[in-house]
Amino acid sequence: KNQVEQSPQSLIILEGKNCTLQCNYTVSPFSNLRWYKQDTGRGPVSLTIMTFSENTKSNGRYTATLDADTKQSSLHITASQLSDSASYICVVIVYNNNDMRFGAGTRLTVKP
Amino acid sequence: DVKVTQSSRYLVKRTGEKVFLECVQDMDHENMFWYRQDPGLGLRLIYFSYDVKMKEKGDIPEGYSVSREKKERFSLILESASTNQTSMYLCASSPGTPGNEQFFGPGTRLTVL
Repeated sequence: KNQVEQSPQSLIILEGKNCTLQCNYTVSPFSNLRWYKQDTGRGPVSLTIMTFSENTKSNGRYTATLDADTKQSSLHITASQLSDSASYICVVIVYNNNDMRFGAGTRLTVKP
Repeated sequence: DVKVTQSSRYLVKRTGEKVFLECVQDMDHENMFWYRQDPGLGLRLIYFSYDVKMKEKGDIPEGYSVSREKKERFSLILESASTNQTSMYLCASSPGTPGNEQFFGPGTRLTVL
């Protein structure tokens, strides 16, 4: 069973709307959590990095939240644009051994 | 900007062929990684290297080998390609400890017929 579960698997929204992607993990002990954006045909690019002591981190229209107690993270996208169409991948880093666990990703499609 | 390049964007090979995938990074990073990405499974680590001539098995090393003769170059080798190795292959590099932020290449889409 994957230790990092993302939902939904895919999502379609209209341009200008907001959306929230979820990441639940069972990885323990936990060091930090990252969200990556992967455009079609490209490699993933880092959006945010949060340590266990951080609750929220923003990068432009992207805001990531983290609840280390419930082991949940979310990525909120505000005022979506067509260029936000991509896969969003949640990655959890295991404390002290640098092991990385990847979620399967959420495929977001923004339509005009 | 960190740049990670991969030798091919698309590759088609036949079952049983030996396949080389090359990855080069230009930021003097210590660590390099090879992943495969399949729909619904996410990225899975095949091998990584934290220094020249050093290699560590990842989660799915079977059927693959790697070579790191120079710091900037990390090669993935499929000794005898099989159809179940059809996938997207992603290379990444990172500085310092392996858990630091990774920078990914554009990927190689390999099809084994």
